Amino acid sequence: GIQVEQSPPDLILQEGANSTLRCNFSDSVNNLQWFHQNPWGQLINLFYIPSGTKQNGRLSATTVATERYSLLYISSSQTTDSGVYFCATTINMLTFGGGTRLMVKP
Amino acid sequence: EPEVTQTPSHQVTQMGQEVILRCVPISNHLYFYWYRQILGQKVEFLVSFYNNEISEKSEIFDDQFSVERPDGSNFTLKIRSTKLEDSAMYFCASRRLAVKQFFGPGTRLTVL
Repeated sequence: GIQVEQSPPDLILQEGANSTLRCNFSDSVNNLQWFHQNPWGQLINLFYIPSGTKQNGRLSATTVATERYSLLYISSSQTTDSGVYFCATTINMLTFGGGTRLMVKP
Repeated sequence: EPEVTQTPSHQVTQMGQEVILRCVPISNHLYFYWYRQILGQKVEFLVSFYNNEISEKSEIFDDQFSVERPDGSNFTLKIRSTKLEDSAMYFCASRRLAVKQFFGPGTRLTVL
């Protein structure tokens, strides 16, 4: 099946810093979603982005499907951005990456 | 905006007991999914359901698991005889024709 790798696995930022999270996938896909898992365990849908670039406030995402990667940009990070960020992709069921655990320090 | 809902939010059960986790997908959605996340690990696919039957399932989804859409709104996951290793967060998801999946808030299952 499809392989999804995320990097870095862990990231510590000072509040206000910018960061880029990466998601590599092993095959052609027609779906890519980014999620933020909050401290209560809920998966918050950030982006549905099979290709191209989207922006939502301080977050933006870019997927280059031909090169099989996606990037999530977080600008001016806040402590509330802390949590685990997952990308997930495939044709029918979603295959999740291992996640990036982000901690933003005040 | 319509949401996927799940009940209960937290379920505690004794090993060997049966549990039923409930989901109400978004009303006009056609494809339904269950995923599982063991604490500290990534989210794993369990099963997909379409047109009143299982369309795909993972190796995790063995004979102890079953899914049902008993009426037009609910989608359930049953674990017949729970094991300690079934302790996890269980997520329900649904989609219509587009591939984007919408996730519920999850049910945290604790097996003692």
